[in-house]
Amino acid sequence: GENVEQHPSTLSVQEGDSAVIKCTYSDSASNYFPWYKQELGKGPQLIIDIRSNVGEKKDQRIAVTLNKTAKHFSLHITETQPEDSAVYFCAATGHNFNKFYFGSGTKLNVKP
Amino acid sequence: DTAVSQTPKYLVTQMGNDKSIKCEQNLGHDTMYWYKQDSKKFLKIMFSYNNKELIINETVPNRFSPKSPDKAHLNLHINSLELGDSAVYFCASSLAGAEQFFGPGTRLTVL
Repeated sequence: GENVEQHPSTLSVQEGDSAVIKCTYSDSASNYFPWYKQELGKGPQLIIDIRSNVGEKKDQRIAVTLNKTAKHFSLHITETQPEDSAVYFCAATGHNFNKFYFGSGTKLNVKP
Repeated sequence: DTAVSQTPKYLVTQMGNDKSIKCEQNLGHDTMYWYKQDSKKFLKIMFSYNNKELIINETVPNRFSPKSPDKAHLNLHINSLELGDSAVYFCASSLAGAEQFFGPGTRLTVL
């Protein structure tokens, strides 16, 4: 089955700096890679996703890059703000979307 | 309007009891999931249902029995609760090939 690894487990940045979280996956059949933000006491919420037919996607301060050859994808947050502080999860799934494999999460702390 | 709702939000019970968690989605999605999030925040899929049919049962003990009376509901019944069942349980739904929406979670504490 698929194995998704996520690094780092914790990340502390100063407000205004950039944050990068990296994930690797093992199954070359995976073709959809979402990123979720989980705030304390809430369910994960999708913030951005990428499919295997593109290498990069951007939405305002958030971007995701995908390297299919190396089987890794990354989340980039620019101009971080204190409200970006949360746990971020990457995930991967194949064409039928029946099963999502999640990374172990990154706790991001943005210091004002 | 809440897209994916779960009840109850908190559940505290004794070992050996039987309990249920309910999940409903009003998004018209055809696939629903149950996840378990442990104390280290690790999210692991337990079940997925597509059009009321069980698709994935991820080696979950048979004390856990999901039931999907219709496409909008996926309930989770747990028999003979154990200490190790303490976790946050999330329901999610999606339309095939699109993003998942998660519910707010149910924090289960087994004493």
